[in-house]
Amino acid sequence: LAKTTQPISMDSYEGQEVNITCSHNNIATNDYITWYQQFPSQGPRFIIQGYKTKVTNEVASLFIPADRKSSTLSLPRVSLSDTAVYYCLVGDVGGYNKLIFGAGTRLAVHP
Amino acid sequence: GAVVSQHPSRVICKSGTSVKIECRSLDFQATTMFWYRQFPKQSLMLMATSNEGSKATYEQGVEKDKFLINHASLTLSTLTVTSAHPEDSSFYICSANPGQSYGYTFGSGTRLTVV
Repeated sequence: LAKTTQPISMDSYEGQEVNITCSHNNIATNDYITWYQQFPSQGPRFIIQGYKTKVTNEVASLFIPADRKSSTLSLPRVSLSDTAVYYCLVGDVGGYNKLIFGAGTRLAVHP
Repeated sequence: GAVVSQHPSRVICKSGTSVKIECRSLDFQATTMFWYRQFPKQSLMLMATSNEGSKATYEQGVEKDKFLINHASLTLSTLTVTSAHPEDSSFYICSANPGQSYGYTFGSGTRLTVV
């Protein structure tokens, strides 16, 4: 399982774009990159998943460079409700591989 | 989308008693489910992998006799915290892979408080 490294915390203001970068130098060929969001006293929630280049959905974009050793989660125009912990996980989505969580990034959005 | 339901959401029990937490996959079958524990301000820590019809696989340092896992059907896994102590107070979360491309699905968690 590839280890991931993220900033422990970030601060932003409402309306700004937030970019959270995750390093995963030992990513394997079959590994996908998945980001989860967790609010206090709730289970993590899937945000976005990608393998290479760029993926965009209704809530975020995921940028993955060609070497795939890092990835950046981009949250456009954050609001107070985006205050949460964001986890980057790397692994093979096939089968039933266990997910090992790193420390995550605690994002605080201020008014 | 795939939903994992966890019950109860909150439980308070006396020290020495046992508590059962249920995790159900509502719209998909899950031969494998995962149980996590999370202490305040910390990340999720994988406790064990629950396998339908066979024994669970526990992570290093997790007492299998204390945290009993049963996965009797393709939609239900249970975690029983036996002889609970205050240090077992934590947030317990289950997860399963619905087999689709949008990642694993997590339950809403169970806040266990042992008094």
